Amino acid sequence: NAGVTQTPKFRILKIGQSMTLQCTQDMNHNYMYWYRQDPGMGLKLIYYSVGAGITDKGEVPNGYNVSRSTTEDFPLRLELAAPSQTSVYFCASINRGVTEAFFGQGTRLTVV
Amino acid sequence: DQQVKQNSPSLSVQEGRISILNCDYTNSMFDYFLWYKKYPAEGPTFLISISSIKDKNEDGRFTVFLNKSAKHLSLHIVPSQPGDSAVYFCASFNQAGTALIFGKGTTLSVSS
Repeated sequence: NAGVTQTPKFRILKIGQSMTLQCTQDMNHNYMYWYRQDPGMGLKLIYYSVGAGITDKGEVPNGYNVSRSTTEDFPLRLELAAPSQTSVYFCASINRGVTEAFFGQGTRLTVV
Repeated sequence: DQQVKQNSPSLSVQEGRISILNCDYTNSMFDYFLWYKKYPAEGPTFLISISSIKDKNEDGRFTVFLNKSAKHLSLHIVPSQPGDSAVYFCASFNQAGTALIFGKGTTLSVSS
């Protein structure tokens, strides 16, 4: 049982480049989330989804886009990378009514 | 504005003593709270949760207390162990029950 899988683990981008952070879960969870963690700032919610075809903005959505075409996958897209997007990104999933959300191992992104 | 607040960035305790980590929330409609533990370079892992219908939940060395009138919860770790040294996050679902919101975290250091 893989749980939540994020790829890549590390990435260096140049300013203005684009990339997609991949997130896949095999637990058939309805809800999926993308967070970024900056030093001393905790986990900030970027986007979330309560099911296939449904997405919503979190606390810090600017500069990002998401899609949810299947229950399993919830990719996060950065269109024009900026140094302010240097962070560690975590994907998580949960079934509402279950006690815990499961997290991936994170993607460390550096924009130079 | 922060909906879930952890006002103590760090806490240091000695092995064997009690660790108390605090969390405040702003919305009295929040009805479910979770605590997560995070080691460096890993994703957060679920520790314990509590529903608003309870005022206490216990799991081994970990106990969470909820004071609804004060909109405050606390995580007690007894006895504390060096392996408990990590960042602890408090989280809650938003009023709609869809977005999972985290506090900034408290770094616990347990010395032997």
